[in-house]
Amino acid sequence: DIQMTQSPSTLSASVGDRVTITCRASQSISDWLAWYQQRPGQVPKLLIYKASSLESGVPSRFSGSGSGTEFTLTISSLQPDDFATYYCQQYKDYSRGTFGQGTKVETK
Amino acid sequence: EVQLVESGGGLVQPGGSRRLSCVVSGFSFTSYWISWVRQAPGKGLEWVANIKHDEFEKYYGDSVKGRFTISRDNAKNSVYLQMNSLRAEDTAVYYCVRDRDAYNYFDYWGQGTLVTVSS
Repeated sequence: DIQMTQSPSTLSASVGDRVTITCRASQSISDWLAWYQQRPGQVPKLLIYKASSLESGVPSRFSGSGSGTEFTLTISSLQPDDFATYYCQQYKDYSRGTFGQGTKVETK
Repeated sequence: EVQLVESGGGLVQPGGSRRLSCVVSGFSFTSYWISWVRQAPGKGLEWVANIKHDEFEKYYGDSVKGRFTISRDNAKNSVYLQMNSLRAEDTAVYYCVRDRDAYNYFDYWGQGTLVTVSS
């Protein structure tokens, strides 16, 4: 099974900061990776798919990069709405779309 | 507007059973895979199961294989999750989600239904 590991688990940042979250796969997943945002008390929301494709309606301050086993989600200038938990998910292995454990972005 | 609406959650005793339902609208149901994803209280996301539009392919996560069964009724725009031999660790919010195209990532999510397994 493919395992997904995110780092850090928690990140303290301020509005306007550039934020980077890393996701590592236990084996190559090419670019079959998605990122989700989950605000407190809300349903997860798709941000990025195929490692770097921005979902329609998602602000351009969000970007994704990487391929193989290492991926990053970057928020270029953190906004108040962005304090949330972020999850990566691999979907190379179609029969089991594994999620990372999540990265909580909190106020510094 | 795409909508997925879950129902069937509640309190169930360990070893018991529960059937979750998900009714969808706003898209061509028979063209999409549908998954169930769960989230234990205060924890991360876990993919549970998915089912192809023609029902001929189904997959399960290791933690539920042999206990849970996913099915769908295309005439009713509905997906079901039959959960048997429930354990405390199955306590979670269960989300019904749409798989994007033929890929196992999720572009629309229901609001979720809470299943609590406790005596």
